[in-house]
Parts: sequence; structure tokens; C-alpha cells
Amino acid sequence: TQLLEQSPQFLSIQEGENLTVYCNSSSVFSSLQWYRQEPGEGPVLLVTVVTGGEVKKLKRLTFQFGDARKDSSLHITAAQPGDTGLYLCAGAAVTGGGNKLTFGTGTQLKVEL
Amino acid sequence: SQTIHQWPATLVQPVGSPLSLECTVEGTSNPNLYWYRQAAGRGLQLLFYSVGIGQISSEVPQNLSASRPQDRQFILSSKKLLLSDSGFYLCAWRTSMPFSYNEQFFGPGTRLTVL
Repeated sequence: TQLLEQSPQFLSIQEGENLTVYCNSSSVFSSLQWYRQEPGEGPVLLVTVVTGGEVKKLKRLTFQFGDARKDSSLHITAAQPGDTGLYLCAGAAVTGGGNKLTFGTGTQLKVEL
Repeated sequence: SQTIHQWPATLVQPVGSPLSLECTVEGTSNPNLYWYRQAAGRGLQLLFYSVGIGQISSEVPQNLSASRPQDRQFILSSKKLLLSDSGFYLCAWRTSMPFSYNEQFFGPGTRLTVL
């Protein structure tokens, strides 16, 4: 069974601060997705990374896939209240995963004015 | 473009009553379909997935069942609800096209409270 551990579990910061969320596993993934979820809604896909060492930027968000494709990070620059939400990573296993994604444990982010 | 619908949005049911949650997808054919349950502020637990009509894979033993009577319709059911069935239920789809990146797209969810 593949497990994805996210850290930190909770994060409360002031507007304008930077932060990094980590997603770690002992398994290798063929691809990894990051989602953001707001209360009472379904997760929304932010990005997919597929190549070891890959870095993708989405405005103030920077996503990195580890060289060994076992881990990933999400860095937010100058956080804003609109970034508040639950961030989830999800990976597709290289072997044995079939059509499934393994979801991380989640990071709850709160950005205050 | 593709859209995914879930209903109802919220549901309050007594213990022992039946359950039927529905999910439909528009704008795509032969999608893979998924049912997840989510505890408050936490990750998603995969309950069932389907790669085609009548094909259901169950991930965890439980009080629930799933069916796929049509290509773009996925139903989550129970004959008798338990208190522990309360939660936020999410339906998702992904393309079945080869060489895709396993990206899943989620519906708005159903909040189920069993009293």
C-alpha cells in the first residue's frame, strides 16, 4: 500500500508570508498531482508533475517533483487570504496502482490578514 | 467541456435507512469513475472505482455498494446506514485514454449525516 505523508498538517500564517508544504512517500510515482479544496466543495486540480526534478510555476505557487519521484513540494510566495484551503497531493503508483490515485493526508492552510 | 454532477448536496438520514447517491458525468465517454469518502479536513479514502459499465472494484470492506448502470452514471448505495457512514462523499472521473496522467476531476460532493 502506497502512503503519502504531508507536512505540516496545519499551517496558519499572515498575509505576505512564504510557506512550503511537503509530500513524501517511500513509493515511486509515475505522476503526482496537487489539489486545493475549499470547505464543502470538491478538490480542484492545480498541477500535475511527471518528470523527476520537474519544477512548475502557477503564479505565486511553485511545485517541485523529487528527482526519485517519491516526493514533492508546494511553495507559495507572498500568501494571500484566497490561498486558504486544504492542499492535497496525490500520486499514481508506477506499479500495482492500476487506475487509482493515492491521496496524501492533507495540509490545512489558513492565511490571515 | 466535461462536467460532473453529484446529488443531493446534503443529506440527513436515520440509522438503518437506505442510501442512494448519484454521480453523472457529461462531455466525455467511457470515463473511469471513483467514489471517495473524506473525513473533516483530511485526505480522501477510495471506496469504489469503475472502468466500465457493470465493472466495480471495491477498495475497503464496508456497509456500502456501488453500481454503474450507464457509461456516465455512478451510484453509491447502502441498504442500512450506520452512524459511521457519515461523511463527505466525493465522486471523480478521469479519462480512460492511454498515456494520460491519472488526473482526476471531482464533483461538488455530498455531505451525509447519519443520526
